[in-house]
Amino acid sequence: GAVVSQHPSRVICKSGTSVKIECRSLDFQATTMFWYRQFPKQSLMLMATSNEGSKATYEQGVEKDKFLINHASLTLSTLTVTSAHPEDSSFYICSARESSINYGYTFGSGTRLTVV
Amino acid sequence: DAKTTQPTSMDCAEGRAANLPCNHSTISGNEYVYWYRQIHSQGPQYIIHGLKNNETNEMASLIITEDRKSSTLILPHATLRDTAVYYCIATGGSNYKLTFGKGTLLTVNP
Repeated sequence: GAVVSQHPSRVICKSGTSVKIECRSLDFQATTMFWYRQFPKQSLMLMATSNEGSKATYEQGVEKDKFLINHASLTLSTLTVTSAHPEDSSFYICSARESSINYGYTFGSGTRLTVV
Repeated sequence: DAKTTQPTSMDCAEGRAANLPCNHSTISGNEYVYWYRQIHSQGPQYIIHGLKNNETNEMASLIITEDRKSSTLILPHATLRDTAVYYCIATGGSNYKLTFGKGTLLTVNP
């Protein structure tokens, strides 16, 4: 089945630094990937839609200059949290769908970001 | 996406069938019903989806009412590892996206 690899699984960074999270579709091409954020005891919140070769579409209230998304190839999307602050600490999850098949989206295993 | 309503939590005995309901009364004709689950601190896992016919795979069965206003996910023989939050999502279209509600916390008890 379709596999999405997300890296790193955990990261701790200092306040003010930037962190990059990678999301790769391992055995399929994904023209569209999605990025979610999840706070403890809450549901997943969609942050943005990442489209290969074009600008990402951000959900209302998500700062595009803070959460930089790049989808430069059909198998890789990256999310960079810039100038991270403790309130950015969260569980970040990506998902992707193989464009040729009417199938459910496949999710990565998530990245636990802790900003200290 | 059509709004979905699920119970906050449910309990099930190990080995018994778990029946998780979902209401989606405003679902439109081109929207599918998707079910995902999330085990603590992991990414969501796809379970099953359907449009109007009942569906079955190796994980579960999906029963959709004839008017499509509600559905039920059935785990035929629940195990302890099925303890998770289960999300029902109604969505469709050429570039659909998944918007998650609060889901149902299913606890399978020994």
